[in-house]
Amino acid sequence: KQEVTQIPAALSVPEGENLVLNCSFTDSAIYNLQWFRQDPGKGLTSLLLIQSSQREQTSGRLNASLDKSSGRSTLYIAASQPGDSATYLCAAVNTGGFKTIFGAGTRLFVKA
Amino acid sequence: GAVVSQHPSRVICKSGTSVKIECRSLDFQATTMFWYRQFPKQSLMLMATSNEGSKATYEQGVEKDKFLINHASLTLSTLTVTSAHPEDSSFYICSARVGDRGRYNEQFFGPGTRLTVL
Repeated sequence: KQEVTQIPAALSVPEGENLVLNCSFTDSAIYNLQWFRQDPGKGLTSLLLIQSSQREQTSGRLNASLDKSSGRSTLYIAASQPGDSATYLCAAVNTGGFKTIFGAGTRLFVKA
Repeated sequence: GAVVSQHPSRVICKSGTSVKIECRSLDFQATTMFWYRQFPKQSLMLMATSNEGSKATYEQGVEKDKFLINHASLTLSTLTVTSAHPEDSSFYICSARVGDRGRYNEQFFGPGTRLTVL
């Protein structure tokens, strides 16, 4: 059974800092892994999707990596801004059924 | 990106009534849609997988007679919470899987529906 864990659960950083959010998964038989952003009381915004055959994806100040062998993915945010404050969720899509399992999220607060 | 809408965005109802939530893919066809619920400060929990033209597949512990799912077309899935009770109060989010674009199997999420049962 796939389990997805995100560390840390919460993070508070000053504006401008580079930071790394961690995601680990127990079953390496994934189809892809996706990172989302969720603002309070809102739905999810897709940030990056990494197919199982890929090692990383980049979009602007965001970079996500995937290491299936170790069951880990990281989301790197460069030069953080107060507008980046949100909850970041990672989700692993399993092969066979394509079920998506979410981590509990990392609540990020970027101080101005 | 692909757009998924949900209606209503917020609903308050009395205990014992039924509530229907719609999930629509606006600019693509989705053969598969998913329904999640999210309790405050918790992550999303998959409730069921909805495939167009067939019965939904429910996750363990989810009552199929209480949470009725209908996926009548390639752009619409509905979740009906029957005889709602206060413990059903939650944030319900749907997603649709894109299977015909470059980012194969990426899921796009609706904005969510906040259900409050009094």
